[in-house]
Amino acid sequence: AQRVTQPEKLLSVFKGAPVELKCNYSYSGSPELFWYVQYSRQRLQLLLRHISRESIKGFTADLNKGETSFHLKKPFAQEEDSAMYYCALETSYDKVIFGPGTSLSVIP
Amino acid sequence: DGGITQSPKYLFRKEGQNVTLSCEQNLNHDAMYWYRQDPGQGLRLIYYSQIVNDFQKGDIAEGYSVSREKKESFPLTVTSAQKNPTAFYLCATQATRNTGELFFGEGSRLTVL
Repeated sequence: AQRVTQPEKLLSVFKGAPVELKCNYSYSGSPELFWYVQYSRQRLQLLLRHISRESIKGFTADLNKGETSFHLKKPFAQEEDSAMYYCALETSYDKVIFGPGTSLSVIP
Repeated sequence: DGGITQSPKYLFRKEGQNVTLSCEQNLNHDAMYWYRQDPGQGLRLIYYSQIVNDFQKGDIAEGYSVSREKKESFPLTVTSAQKNPTAFYLCATQATRNTGELFFGEGSRLTVL
């Protein structure tokens, strides 16, 4: 069965500190992995996808197929990074499933 | 303003009543999705549709029904068979298959009294 897990419900870091939001998945096929973000009073939106291998707002994520992980990282957290972050998996059958989310709070 | 429109934003219903949530898009996207968002559980997939007149069950389809008669519309009916219907419902679209990015509506909050 396909599944996405995010072990931390809440994560607090100080401004300027590194941040890592963990994501693990289970899927027997070739996965497409994404990170979505929801800022306060805004719609859920795409942050980045593994296939693009890009850095958005200083965030990066590397797909590790051996560990079935797709952790989101940023070297220096900013206050505006405070939001809800969801890891998502798209299967070969076009089904997109999400993890439970991690609420990131950046302390000034 | 184009995009995805969900209505109503807030809805109250009595137990035993069916209710339909609307999702309309003018993005000309092929795929549409319905999710349920509960605190601590993230987004759970209810139904999804890749093309008109076709849709598939997600992980929590029991007690829900959908239709996809038009490309622009993907209404969700919450039936009386849904045991715990009070939730926040999100509709999303995707341009074409396997392109990844989902675009979300603002959501509808359903409260069963």
